[in-house]
Amino acid sequence: ILNVEQSPQSLHVQEGDSTNFTCSFPSSNFYALHWYRWETAKSPEALFVMTLNGDEKKKGRISATLNTKEGYSYLYIKGSQPEDSATYLCALINSGYALNFGKGTSLLVTP
Amino acid sequence: NAGVTQTPKFRILKIGQSMTLQCAQDMNHNYMYWYRQDPGMGLKLIYYSVGAGITDKGEVPNGYNVSRSTTEDFPLRLELAAPSQTSVYFCASSTLYNEQFFGPGTRLTVL
Repeated sequence: ILNVEQSPQSLHVQEGDSTNFTCSFPSSNFYALHWYRWETAKSPEALFVMTLNGDEKKKGRISATLNTKEGYSYLYIKGSQPEDSATYLCALINSGYALNFGKGTSLLVTP
Repeated sequence: NAGVTQTPKFRILKIGQSMTLQCAQDMNHNYMYWYRQDPGMGLKLIYYSVGAGITDKGEVPNGYNVSRSTTEDFPLRLELAAPSQTSVYFCASSTLYNEQFFGPGTRLTVL
């Protein structure tokens, strides 16, 4: 089982602030890194799937980068809005076919 | 497309009872997964399947069984319910290494 660490555990920002979270992992030997957005009382929804060192993905105000050599991925949210409030999960697939999830970063954006 | 569907949405069991959580997907995905969500612990993989007739254990398989007779269906069986199995259960499906699509979840309480 690959140990996936996410930081911070929780974050509280004001509307309009930009923010970022970190996903750390010990090995560059994996097939893909996933980011998911998980709103309360809903199901996780995929944001990005990243596979290559240097990958950068963007969806609206949210973007992510991947550095496999140093073992981290960043998720950025530009100009946070209250609707961005959710838990953001990072997960990796190394051997086998299953995702190893981190515990997530809980983001609260207040007006 | 309905995506991934799960039934029931809620269930209360008595200790020692058994039940089957149903999961179905209509996206022709080979890979299917069962997770449980425990507070502060994120998502833990119970079992997964890489195709009809093929299943494998995840991180927390004890107390559960699965079968995969068709590509579409992946039921999870609890044989002797215990309070430790109180959780929210999510089923998911995907193609190889790609984003997972999650069902709406089943909230199970064992008393």
